[in-house]
Amino acid sequence: GQQLNQSPQSMFIQEGEDVSMNCTSSSIFNTWLWYKQDPGEGPVLLIALYKAGELTSNGRLTAQFGITRKDSFLNISASIPSDVGIYFCAGHTGTASKLTFGTGTRLQVTL
Amino acid sequence: DTGVSQDPRHKITKRGQNVTFRCDPISEHNRLYWYRQTLGQGPEFLTYFQNEAQLEKSRLLSDRFSAERPKGSFSTLEIQRTEQGDSAMYLCASIAGRTDTQYFGPGTRLTVL
Repeated sequence: GQQLNQSPQSMFIQEGEDVSMNCTSSSIFNTWLWYKQDPGEGPVLLIALYKAGELTSNGRLTAQFGITRKDSFLNISASIPSDVGIYFCAGHTGTASKLTFGTGTRLQVTL
Repeated sequence: DTGVSQDPRHKITKRGQNVTFRCDPISEHNRLYWYRQTLGQGPEFLTYFQNEAQLEKSRLLSDRFSAERPKGSFSTLEIQRTEQGDSAMYLCASIAGRTDTQYFGPGTRLTVL
């Protein structure tokens, strides 16, 4: 099935550094969501974006809905060890709200 | 509100056996989704219910797969004659009303030997 293009695939950063990742699609989406998944667990919602150009924060996380509606960005500031995990973007067009997910960005944080 | 729950969390089966998974959505969430996630990939949509009606099925859902939501509450996903390619994490998500936010359960990891 279709998967969104997410980059980078993996990141190794030091504690305290800022992180940026992005997600692109060939199709327009009406909603963008960012999830974090720990090993053996289901995805946990971090941020939801509903309007083109929207910039939303959740603590140290900030995400933006691209104005073309074909991309989204997630930034994590001042990373900490518990930020380790796989981050997925997901979008939907509104039809039945089924989600199309990205391929994931694996984040490793070193002390 | 206890969140989406799934049972079992892990299932190991031999090829050719049938397996059934259960998902209990968040109370009063009328829409329920099943996704499959293979190693190193993001989840992929399988099927979707609004109340008890199954409204959409992905091409990924072969005729060996069947899902039900008989009373519009919990849902089951059955895989008949399992194959090694069915090994994956099966995730359930639910959503309330007309919101767009899907909440996921912890998943059932299936291993077919």
